[in-house]
Amino acid sequence: GQQLNQSPQSMFIQEGEDVSMNCTSSSIFNTWLWYKQDPGEGPVLLIALYKAGELTSNGRLTAQFGITRKDSFLNISASIPSDVGIYFCAGHLTGNQFYFGTGTSLTVIP
Amino acid sequence: DADVTQTPRNRITKTGKRIMLECSQTKGHDRMYWYRQDPGLGLQLIYYSFDVKDINKGEISDGYSVSRQAQAKFSLSLESAIPNQTALYFCATRSNTGELFFGEGSRLTVL
Repeated sequence: GQQLNQSPQSMFIQEGEDVSMNCTSSSIFNTWLWYKQDPGEGPVLLIALYKAGELTSNGRLTAQFGITRKDSFLNISASIPSDVGIYFCAGHLTGNQFYFGTGTSLTVIP
Repeated sequence: DADVTQTPRNRITKTGKRIMLECSQTKGHDRMYWYRQDPGLGLQLIYYSFDVKDINKGEISDGYSVSRQAQAKFSLSLESAIPNQTALYFCATRSNTGELFFGEGSRLTVL
């Protein structure tokens, strides 16, 4: 199935640094979702976005729904070691098909 | 307790065996999904269900079947497991606002 373009693929950062990652699509979406997944575990929903231009925060996480409805970004401020994991986006238009990003692997160096 | 619970969490089986992965949810959502995750390939949709009477194939349904026994229960079966079905399997539910909630996953190894 179609996968969304997500970048960067991986990031190695120092504790305390800010992180930014984004997803782009050739199709428009009505909903963007951002998840964090630890190895061998299920994805955990971090933020859900419902309309173009929407900016939503969840603690140190901030995500935005792009104006064109074809992209979204996720920022993590002041990273901590427990932020380590794989982050991925998901886009949804209508019906039951969700499209998933390829994932960003985040490593935080203490 | 998790809202979407999968059993078993880990299973090792042999080629040709029948396997069932079970999923139950306490979120009250009508829509349920089964996904497969392979390294580097992301999540692929196997089957989904709107309600007890509705079952739909996803993009990779061959070799799999499902049963929606109740609103809260959706099970995935491999009638005759083969090694390339070795993967991490996720059940998910969807809210009316379009959010997808995943279970903890079932790691299946077919020898």
